[in-house]
Order: sequence, then structure tokens, then C-alpha cells
Amino acid sequence: QKEVEQNSGPLSVPEGAIASLNCTYSDRGSQSFFWYRQYSGKSPELIMFIYSNGDKEDGRFTAQLNKASQYVSLLIRDSQPSDSATYLCAVKPSYDKVIFGPGTSLSVIP
Amino acid sequence: GAGVSQSPSNKVTEKGKDVELRCDPISGHTALYWYRQSLGQGLEFLIYFQGNSAPDKSGLPSDRFSAERTGGSVSTLTIQRTQQEDSAVYLCASSGGGAFYEQYFGPGTRLTVT
Repeated sequence: QKEVEQNSGPLSVPEGAIASLNCTYSDRGSQSFFWYRQYSGKSPELIMFIYSNGDKEDGRFTAQLNKASQYVSLLIRDSQPSDSATYLCAVKPSYDKVIFGPGTSLSVIP
Repeated sequence: GAGVSQSPSNKVTEKGKDVELRCDPISGHTALYWYRQSLGQGLEFLIYFQGNSAPDKSGLPSDRFSAERTGGSVSTLTIQRTQQEDSAVYLCASSGGGAFYEQYFGPGTRLTVT
């Protein structure tokens, strides 16, 4: 079992819809969870982080964490074509180790 | 500096040559990571440094790859006897030490081995 799994996509949503990106992880002791966005040819940039169970909202983005189910998700409301990118889930199972998922490619269709 | 910097931004080298890639982390960040990303692929972890601790080299693909971090700041990734399969973007990231700190990535070095 891979340590961090994501649907590779591509995920296509129409402009204005909600995009839902999912991530599961295997290390139950993981403490912190991050979502990065990577545009083609660019470096990953942090968009959200979450440490506690529940929801965390920041503008159009909501991160959801369920440690019992070892599941973290990212919702993007009112999706825009500029949201088209690859979204990377990252998990920190310990002090400094970081494990990235393979990424989900999102395409927002105008 | 304001962010993580890497140099060179692009490097073209001939097969069999050695290359050095440099990373300048964000000032004060104690953790530094190197990743490799081939075209259309995810991030492949290579190595990370945390403070004065021994680096975690578990992701280095072969003994042709090595890295050092001098003075707890600048890091150099060295690839000896480069092969065509080494062609990729090499990304550096830094982080404050601890489980709850996020990583910040540099712009990467695109390495092409001809």
C-alpha cells in the first residue's frame, strides 16, 4: 500500500462548480496535512494546511480532515479556469518526514 | 532572501559529466529537502537535512548522487557521471523544523543530460 494515495485524474469540472480532491494516507500517527497546487512547469505552492479533525476554510478552499478514516480532502468552490493545475497532498507522519501523494490533475472547463 | 532560491535554473550537460545544483533556503529554516520530478510525474524524495542531524539519504537513487549542507544553510546536490535518466527538474524546499511547519519550494533546476 502506498503511503499517500490520490486519484490521478484528470478531474474535470465546469466553471463555477465545486471540485473535490481526495487523499488517503497509511500512517495513522500522521500529524499534519498539506495541499499544494502545481501549475505546469512551476514549483508546488502551498494553498492549505490542516492539523485537526474537521473543516478548515480559506476563501474558496476548504480542507477536511478525518484522522479516524485516514482521509483528507480539498474542496474548491466556484471553480475557475485558473484553478486548473495538479494538486498534491502531503502528509507529515513525524517531525520532519514529508510524504507527497502522486497528485490529482484538475481541469476547470469554461 | 524572501524565498528559496536555486541555481542554475537550467543546466544542459553531456552524459558522463558531473553536475552541481545549489539551493539557498529561507533564512532561519532548519529543514531542507531535495526532490526530483520527471516530466508529468510526481515528486520523488531524494534527501533531507534537519539542523545538525545526519541527513536522511533514503531517497537517493544511486551512489552517483550526493548532497551536503554547509553551515546549516546552503545545500549542494551533486550528480556524478550523469546519465540520460537523470534528466528532470530538481526541486529544493525548506521548512521550519517541526511537524507543523509547511515546506516552501524553490523554482527548481531543469537538468537535461544529452
